[in-house]
Formats: sequence, C-alpha cells, structure tokens
Amino acid sequence: GNSVTQMEGPVTLSEEAFLTINCTYTATGYPSLFWYVQYPGEGLQLLLKATKADDKGSNKGFEATYRKETTSFHLEKGSVQVSDSAVYFCALRPNQAGTALIFGKGTTLSVSS
Amino acid sequence: GAVVSQHPSWVICKSGTSVKIECRSLDFQATTMFWYRQFPKQSLMLMATSNEGSKATYEQGVEKDKFLINHASLTLSTLTVTSAHPEDSSFYICSAKGTGQETQYFGPGTRLLVL
Repeated sequence: GNSVTQMEGPVTLSEEAFLTINCTYTATGYPSLFWYVQYPGEGLQLLLKATKADDKGSNKGFEATYRKETTSFHLEKGSVQVSDSAVYFCALRPNQAGTALIFGKGTTLSVSS
Repeated sequence: GAVVSQHPSWVICKSGTSVKIECRSLDFQATTMFWYRQFPKQSLMLMATSNEGSKATYEQGVEKDKFLINHASLTLSTLTVTSAHPEDSSFYICSAKGTGQETQYFGPGTRLLVL
C-alpha cells in the first residue's frame, strides 16, 4: 500500500543552521509528493510539491527533490530562522486523480536565536 | 491563498452526546472536502471524502453511522460525531479542494475531548 515515513522529532536547531528532514515513501506508480507546514494555531499550508521524478520543489528557501531511485523527498533549508519553527508533514497523493493525501507523522522543528 | 475555517476550534462534551464540527471554504467553492483525524504524535488519517451533493465515501474501518458527514453546499461540510465516547477524543482536520484544483487547503482543526 501507500505510506510515508518521516524522521521523528523534535528537531532543535540554532538560527542559521542547516536543516534536513528526511522523508521516504512507498507507493505504486508515480505519486505526487508534498511538504506541508503547520505553524502554531494554524492549519496546514502547502510548502512545496513535486509531481514527477527528479522534480525539485522550492519555496521560502526550502527545497526537496523527488528521488524515485531512493523513494525519498527530503526537505532541506540552508539557513533556518526562528520563524520556521513549526510542524512539517511529508505527504503523497497516489496517481489517481482526486484522491486524498497520505501523510507522515510530522516532524516538529524548533529554532532558537 | 484560499482559506478554510473550522468551528469550533475545540470542544469538550459528555460521553453519549453528539458533536457537530463545521468546515467552511471562505473564498472558493469546495467541490471536494476531506475529513482527517490526528492522534497525538501520529499522522493525519483520512476518514472520509465528500463531494458536494453526494454521499461521503468512508475509509475502511471508519463507521459511517458514527461519523456523519454532510456536504450540502459548495462552501460547507459538517462532521457529526454521534454518541461520542472518550475514544473519539482526537484532533479533527478538514481540507477542501475546488474543481480542477490540485492543492488541498486545510482548516486549523478541531480538538474534541469526550469526558
């Protein structure tokens, strides 16, 4: 079946540190891959996405590359800020149109100044 | 971007009562809405998918008579937890998607505590 596994948190970093949050997936066919972010007290927001192998999604300094050979979609940022503190969810959508998202458990990131 | 609201944001109720949670798309027409449930430190688990004007499609293991979903308009879907019990305590999140949209927009969630 389809599933998403992401690294457990919390991840605690100092400002300007490099961030990596690992995400791997299991899926049949060619799913679309997503990273969502949830700031305290808010709903999930789409951070970035990639719809086919070798695509790189990027937004707000975050990047993730769709690696089919390793079934991974790791999230990276070169220099984190305190405002990046949030919960990050990796998700996939199977290749059938209209289907719901399948989420990982979420990784809490805490950035201190 | 598109905004989805949920009401209430949190609710405490007695065991045996029913609780209704509303999910509204504020600035777009949501032809499809999804209801998720999230346990502490767990991923979001899809409960059901609802399309406006038709019956919801429930995921395996989700009791449709327990979790009543109504999507009567293009801006509103409701989830009613009937005869709630302590094991129904959880964080319920909805998301909405318009026709032809790929992106789902999420509500802030509703925390339910059943005593």
